[in-house]
Amino acid sequence: AQSVAQPEDQVNVAEGNPLTVKCTYSVSGNPYLFWYVQYPNRGLQFLLKYITGDNLVKGSYGFEAEFNKSQTSFHLKKPSALVSDSALYFCAVRDEGSYQLTFGKGTKLSVIP
Amino acid sequence: GAVVSQHPSWVICKSGTSVKIECRSLDFQATTMFWYRQFPKQSLMLMATSNEGSKATYEQGVEKDKFLINHASLTLSTLTVTSAHPEDSSFYICSANVAGSTDTQYFGPGTRLTVL
Repeated sequence: AQSVAQPEDQVNVAEGNPLTVKCTYSVSGNPYLFWYVQYPNRGLQFLLKYITGDNLVKGSYGFEAEFNKSQTSFHLKKPSALVSDSALYFCAVRDEGSYQLTFGKGTKLSVIP
Repeated sequence: GAVVSQHPSWVICKSGTSVKIECRSLDFQATTMFWYRQFPKQSLMLMATSNEGSKATYEQGVEKDKFLINHASLTLSTLTVTSAHPEDSSFYICSANVAGSTDTQYFGPGTRLTVL
């Protein structure tokens, strides 16, 4: 079985400050990890993924995430938050042998001007 | 690239009627498409996995006779909610894998279904 935990329902950060959205996962094999962003009444937009290789993954809109195998984490980060980053962020995982994604419950990010 | 569209973006229907939602991959071929349901302020729940030319695989608890899925081509999957009831009101989102790759699912913009 695979699972994802996003421990924070909401993260508030001031514009220009660094942001972190946390994610931990559990899979039986090697993890494929993803971050998606959802704006109100919209589908999910792909931000970045970790499949293999460098633990630090860079993605769209200046976001990055660090894969930490020992801590089974894949936290999303951005050095300087923008008001337009305010949205709902989902972490997702799948086992390398599976098509199916399992999503976390989502974290609402609010960037305060 | 990797754009997925859904139609309609929203629909309101009367209880007892059927509603069809289309999911199209616009610039790639998708051998596998997925249908999700999202309740307000909740995460996505996978309903079914649709493979082109074969029957869909439904998740436990999803009624296959109520949620009919057809994946007739490499660019189109449809979800038909039959005899819809108010409890079927939800946000339905599809996604697709690029044919030959299982790495990343690309998501459609979603369809808001409201059953009166």
